[in-house]
Amino acid sequence: AQTVTQSQPEMSVQEAETVTLSCTYDTSESDYYLFWYKQPPSRQMILVIRQEAYKQQNATENRFSVNFQKAAKSFSLKISDSQLGDAAMYFCAYRSLVGVNYGGATNKLIFGTGTLLAVQP
Amino acid sequence: DAGITQSPRHKVTETGTPVTLRCHQTENHRYMYWYRQDPGHGLRLIHYSYGVKDTDKGEVSDGYSVSRSKTEDFLLTLESATSSQTSVYFCAISARGGLATNEKLFFGSGTQLSVL
Repeated sequence: AQTVTQSQPEMSVQEAETVTLSCTYDTSESDYYLFWYKQPPSRQMILVIRQEAYKQQNATENRFSVNFQKAAKSFSLKISDSQLGDAAMYFCAYRSLVGVNYGGATNKLIFGTGTLLAVQP
Repeated sequence: DAGITQSPRHKVTETGTPVTLRCHQTENHRYMYWYRQDPGHGLRLIHYSYGVKDTDKGEVSDGYSVSRSKTEDFLLTLESATSSQTSVYFCAISARGGLATNEKLFFGSGTQLSVL
């Protein structure tokens, strides 16, 4: 079974600085998706960024980028120019692609335990 | 925002009572999911549905049942609530289980359930 580990329960960053959140995962599959979700105090789950395992290029979305190291099974999130609105719980998640070619796959996600990010003004 | 409504938003109940949480979607999406969120555990899948009357268990399904009689509604039932089921429950939906680059999982706003 796949597992996702986030070893940093809490992180803090100064406004305008850069912070990196860590995520490691364990799987025997060669093809999968990885995600970072943001959960602000409103409880809403917001997709931040996604990475396809078959792509070597790291995904980027504006100030958010990932460092995907497939061999090391590592998927860290870098937030540049941190803003007060970035303060939230961040979850790393894994999606298996088993069965996708015959319509048997779903969007079931396996989540890490989360990292609570505080942004200091 | 995807049209997902969870009800109730908050509920307090007593141990041993039955509880039903409702997830309603207006997107006509095929897949629906129930997750629970607990400190130190992240979100864990309880049950999911891949069509009307088609459901399957997730990783923490004990003590929960689900039903999906219509595309738009996915009900989660705690037959006899226990204090360990105090949690925030999230419903999520997705259109399909494929590889489309715009494939997304949309989440509801969650239901805070307290079992006393």
